[in-house]
Amino acid sequence: DTEVTQTPKHLVMGMTNKKSLKCEQHMGHRAMYWYKQKAKKPPELMFVYSYEKLSINESVPSRFSPECPNSSLLNLHLHALQPEDSALYLCASSPFEGGRTEAFFGQGTRLTVV
Amino acid sequence: QKEVEQNSGPLSVPEGAIASLNCTYSDRGSQSFFWYRQYSGKSPELIMSIYSNGDKEDGRFTAQLNKASQYVSLLIRDSQPSDSATYLCAVNMEYGNKLVFGAGTILRVKS
Repeated sequence: DTEVTQTPKHLVMGMTNKKSLKCEQHMGHRAMYWYKQKAKKPPELMFVYSYEKLSINESVPSRFSPECPNSSLLNLHLHALQPEDSALYLCASSPFEGGRTEAFFGQGTRLTVV
Repeated sequence: QKEVEQNSGPLSVPEGAIASLNCTYSDRGSQSFFWYRQYSGKSPELIMSIYSNGDKEDGRFTAQLNKASQYVSLLIRDSQPSDSATYLCAVNMEYGNKLVFGAGTILRVKS
């Protein structure tokens, strides 16, 4: 089972709203990622959590705030977003042990900021 | 220099032919290399991983890695119209658990 579950699938929010994206995996993976993907572009790394600790922050604006409550869950809190933040937000997880670093992606949350 | 480079295509091949996709990377210390397939509007799907120099075969797919040349390739044999998608090369950079994607190559298989 290589399932990563993201909720919601679609989200429309105003620029003054606060919302959260959720990601869950039950594969015992120890690394989890957030990526942002704009149309016709590759996924762009935002954050990496390794063993529940933030290990990489790719200079993402503070209006995006990640959280890893436990080894199975990853959240992305959104506040005061801009229309240019509209994109597909992808969560992924990776074993990160035994030399295995392949990442498995959830189906994504399509975010529209109005 | 971009960290991971791919020809954006589109690469057009007839049904039944071999499709060859290429990727180069900049970080000489990278150890893990992946190919993902992404259909329009969907998330990336892992199709091949390769960690050692040489070839790795899985069904119709063969990944090839040459660390000395910093080069990774994917061959798709007996291409089918259902293989039409964007193929993303991804490399796990040496410094931390950072998986970086190339721009992707659009593959079109014509029936």
